[in-house]
Amino acid sequence: DAGVTQSPTHLIKTRGQHVTLRCSPISGHKSVSWYQQVLGQGPQFIFQYYEKEERGRGNFPDRFSARQFPNYSSELNVNALLLGDSALYLCASSWSYEQYFGPGTRLTVT
Amino acid sequence: QQQVKQSPQSLIVQKGGISIINCAYENTAFDYFPWYQQFPGKGPALLIAIRPDVSEKKEGRFTISFNKSAKQFSLHIMDSQPGDSATYFCAASMNRGSTLGRLYFGRGTQLTVWP
Repeated sequence: DAGVTQSPTHLIKTRGQHVTLRCSPISGHKSVSWYQQVLGQGPQFIFQYYEKEERGRGNFPDRFSARQFPNYSSELNVNALLLGDSALYLCASSWSYEQYFGPGTRLTVT
Repeated sequence: QQQVKQSPQSLIVQKGGISIINCAYENTAFDYFPWYQQFPGKGPALLIAIRPDVSEKKEGRFTISFNKSAKQFSLHIMDSQPGDSATYFCAASMNRGSTLGRLYFGRGTQLTVWP
């Protein structure tokens, strides 16, 4: 079975630009969560979606938004990029307690 | 504030030795405690997890010990191997309200196993 997939793998953007990251969950999983992992730290929760509805939001500015589609895939959007947004963005899918992470998208903002 | 505190930050162990990583939490509403293993450039991989109704869970060389009264849990890696060299994260979550399944991570422990 395919695990969680994310695209793109790497991305380089300039300050002020917008970025869209994509995630496909494990088949049968209806919940998708997004996390930001800055180098040397643990992942920080950004959003959780279940059945296309937002179920939770972490302490991130409104520049961050997300949505979940009918096939349970998800997009994370970040507007007006800042240098501090440079990080590994992780998507996790779950159907119960266990959350399974994808390989992440490495975003570099210059 | 950091909801889950993890120590040590780094750990060096000889091949065949026991690696021990500790975590502590404050929020008694947490009811699920997973450990993740992360290799450079990869996403975290779920290693083993425990619920607070048991004090220990073992899967192969990996054991979680859980002390509910002390609000602490630890990961023991028996017979540590060079291939275990990675960053390990403890985490906690609570399944209630709007924060269903949100994981709170520790800062991570970088484990190096010398051959």
